[in-house]
This record gives sequence, C-alpha cells and structure tokens, in this order.
Amino acid sequence: GAVVSQHPSWVICKSGTSVKIECRSLDFQATTMFWYRQFPKQSLMLMATSNEGSKATYEQGVEKDKFLINHASLTLSTLTVTSAHPEDSSFYICSAREAGGTDTQYFGPGTRLTVL
Amino acid sequence: AQSVAQPEDQVNVAEGNPLTVKCTYSVSGNPYLFWYVQYPNRGLQFLLKYITGDNLVKGSYGFEAEFNKSQTSFHLKKPSALVSDSALYFCAVRDIFGDIFGTGTRLQVFP
Repeated sequence: GAVVSQHPSWVICKSGTSVKIECRSLDFQATTMFWYRQFPKQSLMLMATSNEGSKATYEQGVEKDKFLINHASLTLSTLTVTSAHPEDSSFYICSAREAGGTDTQYFGPGTRLTVL
Repeated sequence: AQSVAQPEDQVNVAEGNPLTVKCTYSVSGNPYLFWYVQYPNRGLQFLLKYITGDNLVKGSYGFEAEFNKSQTSFHLKKPSALVSDSALYFCAVRDIFGDIFGTGTRLQVFP
C-alpha cells in the first residue's frame, strides 16, 4: 500500500529557532499534500494544502509566513516552522493524495515538535 | 460550510460485544465520508469511505459504517470488538482540498 514518511519523528528546539519537517510519499507520486496540526484534545486541523509546483493554500487563521510550505517535487513536501515559540509545540501530520488515484489520503506518522 | 461531529469523547465496550462510534455530518451536496483510526504512537490509517452506492460500507479490520442520509449520520460499527481495536477514531468529510475531521472518539475495549 501507499506509504508516507515524515522526518523527523520528533524534535525539540529552542524558542526563536526554525524547524523543518519533511513529508515524503515513498511509493507513489502525490500531486497534493496536506499538513495538519493535532491539538491536545486530539482534534485535527487542516493547516494548508500544497500542490506540486505551486504555492500552498493556507486555511484561515494559519500564518503563511510562520508555517512555510514547499512542495518541490511529486514526492516531497516540507513544512518549516519559523521562529518557533512554545505555543507551536504540537503534533504535525502530513498526508498525501496520489496523482490520478482515489480519494484516499495516506498519512504520515506525524512529527512531535516541542519548543522550549 | 462542511462539518462533522463526533458526540462521544470516549466509548467503552467489552471485548466480544458490538461497538458503535457515532458521527454526524453537515454538508451541501452529496457527502464524501471517511473513517480513520489512530493507534497509540502511530499515524492515522484509513479505515473506510463512502462516496456513492451501497449505504453499508465495509472496511479494514472488520469495521463497517452505515451512511444514513435522512439522519445525516455515518456511524462506525463492528459486530464483535477486540481489545486491539482500542484506539482513537476520526470521522471526516471531504472538503474541496482536504478532509475536515471530527474531534475524535477514543475507543476502549476491555477484556
């Protein structure tokens, strides 16, 4: 089946630094990738949608200058949390939709970010 | 706007008993509905989906869900629960770009 990986699986950083999270589709091409944030009450929030070769579409209330998304190829999307603060600590999950495939999203295992 | 609600934060059921995890939705037009499961320390996994056709949809691990248009519901069911089914379950409705998730229901199956 389709596999999506995320790297790193967890990261601890100091306040004010930037962190990059990678999302890769390992055995399929993904024209569309999604980034979610999972809050402590376990609800998922769609942050942005990225399409290969174009700018990401951000959901209302998500700062695009703070959460930089790049979808450079059909198998890789990156989320960079710039100038991270403790309130950015969360679980970030990416998913990918296969090019020309079904409606199913395939999720990465998530990245836990802790900002000190 | 599309939305989905999971009214129960937690569902407890004894092993071997049937289980139901509730989900209701609000959409304009025909809904695309999904169930995902998240096991402890694991990523989300796709369970099943309803796009069109039969109202009873069968998915992975013996789960099924029934689409009920009049009640705008898409409850997840399993005839006989296993302890290994204990996990966090998310209902989702398809938006233009991605899935909108419910707040999740924690299923606890007791031996």
